[in-house]
Amino acid sequence: NAGVTQTPKFRVLKTGQSMTLLCAQDMNHEYMYWYRQDPGMGLRLIHYSVGEGTTAKGEVPDGYNVSRLKKQNFLLGLESAAPSQTSVYFCASNLRPQGRSGELFFGEGSRLTVL
Amino acid sequence: EDKVVQSPLSLVVHEGDTVTLNCSYEVTNFRSLLWYKQEKKAPTFLFMLTSSGIEKKSGRLSSILDKKELFSILNITATQTGDSAVYLCAVGATGNQFYFGTGTSLTVIP
Repeated sequence: NAGVTQTPKFRVLKTGQSMTLLCAQDMNHEYMYWYRQDPGMGLRLIHYSVGEGTTAKGEVPDGYNVSRLKKQNFLLGLESAAPSQTSVYFCASNLRPQGRSGELFFGEGSRLTVL
Repeated sequence: EDKVVQSPLSLVVHEGDTVTLNCSYEVTNFRSLLWYKQEKKAPTFLFMLTSSGIEKKSGRLSSILDKKELFSILNITATQTGDSAVYLCAVGATGNQFYFGTGTSLTVIP
């Protein structure tokens, strides 16, 4: 009964390094999202996907790339990390964005620090 | 610009008190309003409201939506220390977008 799983949970990077965050869900959800959470800013949408092979930009996409090669996985990549990308990253998924199963299910978060 | 505003930003109460958290929104193509509780890790789902004036209730928590005035409230009665958390309000809109407020931090003192 894993739900939404994110790896890694913690990471420290140097400016300019690259890394990938992995999100996996076992609920057969179509929609997946990557958010970042910063103090005083709430949750902001980075990218999202409405199905396997699709991705779209959210509110704050710059500096990030994503891929959804398999329905259950949604990857968030940082090609050249910057200190401004220090944040807690949350992956979420849902069956349908609206309607009776519209609630978002969240992973436990990945804390990323860029020095 | 779509936005969700929560108030107050933080709140400290004593066990047994009743609290009311507020969420107002300006979101085009509104579809739903959701409340989440966030302790140290992942936000956990509390309520989803889509119809105006219908109260959702779960134990000591209840919530109601006013689509005319564009706001929702979350009530917690007989608060307990386990209610200490950040409460997030999110508005779902067409186009698969969810807009989150900055949250209300609730601290319940024994």
